[in-house]
Amino acid sequence: DQQVKQNSPSLSVQEGRISILNCDYTNSMFDYFLWYKKYPAEGPTFLISISSIKDKNEDGRFTVFLNKSAKHLSLHIVPSQPGDSAVYFCAARDGSSNTGKLIFGQGTTLQVKP
Amino acid sequence: NAGVMQNPRHLVRRRGQEARLRCSPMKGHSHVYWYRQLPEEGLKFMVYLQKENIIDESGMPKERFSAEFPKEGPSILRIQQVVRGDSAAYFCASSPRALTYEQYFGPGTRLTVT
Repeated sequence: DQQVKQNSPSLSVQEGRISILNCDYTNSMFDYFLWYKKYPAEGPTFLISISSIKDKNEDGRFTVFLNKSAKHLSLHIVPSQPGDSAVYFCAARDGSSNTGKLIFGQGTTLQVKP
Repeated sequence: NAGVMQNPRHLVRRRGQEARLRCSPMKGHSHVYWYRQLPEEGLKFMVYLQKENIIDESGMPKERFSAEFPKEGPSILRIQQVVRGDSAAYFCASSPRALTYEQYFGPGTRLTVT
């Protein structure tokens, strides 16, 4: 039962352009959504989060949009840089759980070409 | 302030041997999560511990796997009688308080079972 899905395994973008990574979820009890970035042989690094009561959160070049009615969120990176090349994971926290555990999508590999 | 530390970074075990994975949380953090990432998949929650207590082990296989977080020392994930299907990257995350999505990940231990 995949509660968080990232349907695009990979994305290739030219440097300077916008990267848009998408994520869908099924559980309406999720109360926080997060994006993590992961380089090979390293652990995930927190990028940006959004509460379920908001529809947008921005931090520098990174913006996350949440569409609750569609159970969809997206991460926009503008402008994209070669150093952004990594695997991006969408994750969600179940607000009805008493533990704070995160549920991750399968990841999308972003390649930013110079 | 050192980040989350995991050791060993790489571990090779033959089928039937035991694997012990260690996680030292960030200073001041008393909450530890373990996640497993199988090849080509996202991270999957295994267990959540506070000092000396297992709070949620709903993601951990019932047999051969155990976890502890003693009063002193690192958290340990123990896998007895390893099988090839246990080959994966195991990540530990720590957080400063309960019920928070704020989790900081270690670099992971890559377990290979031959």
